[in-house]
Amino acid sequence: QQPVQSPQAVILREGEDAVINCSSSKALYSVHWYRQKHGEAPVFLMILLKGGEQKGHEKISASFNEKKQQSSLYLTASQLSYSGTYFCGTDDSDSNYQLIWGAGTKLIIKP
Amino acid sequence: NAGVTQTPKFQVLKTGQSMTLQCAQDMNHEYMSWYRQDPGMGLRLIHYSVGAGITDQGEVPNGYNVSRSTTEDFPLRLLSAAPSQTSVYFCASSRDRGRHEQYFGPGTRLTVT
Repeated sequence: QQPVQSPQAVILREGEDAVINCSSSKALYSVHWYRQKHGEAPVFLMILLKGGEQKGHEKISASFNEKKQQSSLYLTASQLSYSGTYFCGTDDSDSNYQLIWGAGTKLIIKP
Repeated sequence: NAGVTQTPKFQVLKTGQSMTLQCAQDMNHEYMSWYRQDPGMGLRLIHYSVGAGITDQGEVPNGYNVSRSTTEDFPLRLLSAAPSQTSVYFCASSRDRGRHEQYFGPGTRLTVT
């Protein structure tokens, strides 16, 4: 079951904050966040695991609400380098430990 | 460390032709996977492998074959190319399936005419 990401796109001024959401209709074991710049491969940002463990870059903040089956990625004091498309991948009770990816959230940062 | 490498970077095929996309990693990862990414969409899993000699189908396996004879290499074969296979293909590797980050190759942009 593909997770749903919201919003589909967001435009910010440099220095502003953004929240990107990822929700699933199934119980989740983990949520993965990646950023992809145009023409490049996805790059790892963070993994949030059931039970509270998190792995990722220190400057990235995210939450995982197991009961609500959703995760949020928090981008604070945005920089131009934050521009790109953000994808969440979820490992749910039916996916056999495979990641199912959302359609992405396009983030544009303007100076 | 080269990480994950893919060749070629670009390829144009005619309908019905076959070809192999190469993928190699030097991180001794057991788990490797192939994804396709279509414009405006997320990644869709084609095939994956949890170790040498073990492969399995993902979400969209039709028209593709894989093999894993070594830990390092995981080639993807297109059996008879179709225009619907026009896409960007990414290979990825990881220590395991769900609990560690995936490292992606630079991608292969394939056009089938």
